[in-house]
Amino acid sequence: EVQLVQSGAEVKSPGESLRMSCMGSGYTFRNYWIAWVRQMPGKGLEWIGFIYPDDSDIRYNPSFEGQVTISADRSITTAYLQWRSLKASDTAMYYCARGKFSSRLVLNNYFDPWGQGTLVTVSS
Amino acid sequence: DIQMTQSPSSVSASVGDRVAITCRASQGISNSLAWFQQKPGKAPKLLIFAASSLQSGVPSRFSGSGSGTDFTLTINSLQPEDFATYYCQQANSFPLTFGGGTKVEIK
Repeated sequence: EVQLVQSGAEVKSPGESLRMSCMGSGYTFRNYWIAWVRQMPGKGLEWIGFIYPDDSDIRYNPSFEGQVTISADRSITTAYLQWRSLKASDTAMYYCARGKFSSRLVLNNYFDPWGQGTLVTVSS
Repeated sequence: DIQMTQSPSSVSASVGDRVAITCRASQGISNSLAWFQQKPGKAPKLLIFAASSLQSGVPSRFSGSGSGTDFTLTINSLQPEDFATYYCQQANSFPLTFGGGTKVEIK
């Protein structure tokens, strides 16, 4: 069974750093895109970016570029999303999702399954 | 960026009803469209990809149609488990974008 398992909820103060994880299992991790998605409280879905673990090709949504860093460690089938300095506006649920097709193309790829989500609360 | 506009933003319906949700892209995206279902406190679930292809395991009462700029998700014979929020998403060009969501509520 293809599964993505995300790290647990985090409570942080503004200015702190954070790295969250998304571990894939049940498939060849390196050959499928992993996406990160933000959902702010009571709001819709926003793509943050994508990584192809085989060669760490990364595509960021311009709205998030410079704000977060996406990475992956093929040896432990895990993708990461990290911040150097959190803001209160980073409070949200974050999801990872796997590309449906083992294609090198991220366009015309579709994302399923999804991880269970990691809730991040940033508050002073 | 391609803007995805869903309508309605919410709809009240009864079990057994047929519900149609539309999604309009600000420019042509061929058939590069997905539909997701999200229930409260849960991750989104892919229902339809490539505008009209049913994802494995999704009930056949869900169907998608459209091409270019106008798309529709239809739920035939609404079931209690279908009350949720639905999102469209274009996969044609960067940045990928979602619609604002349509909440299907119990009448």
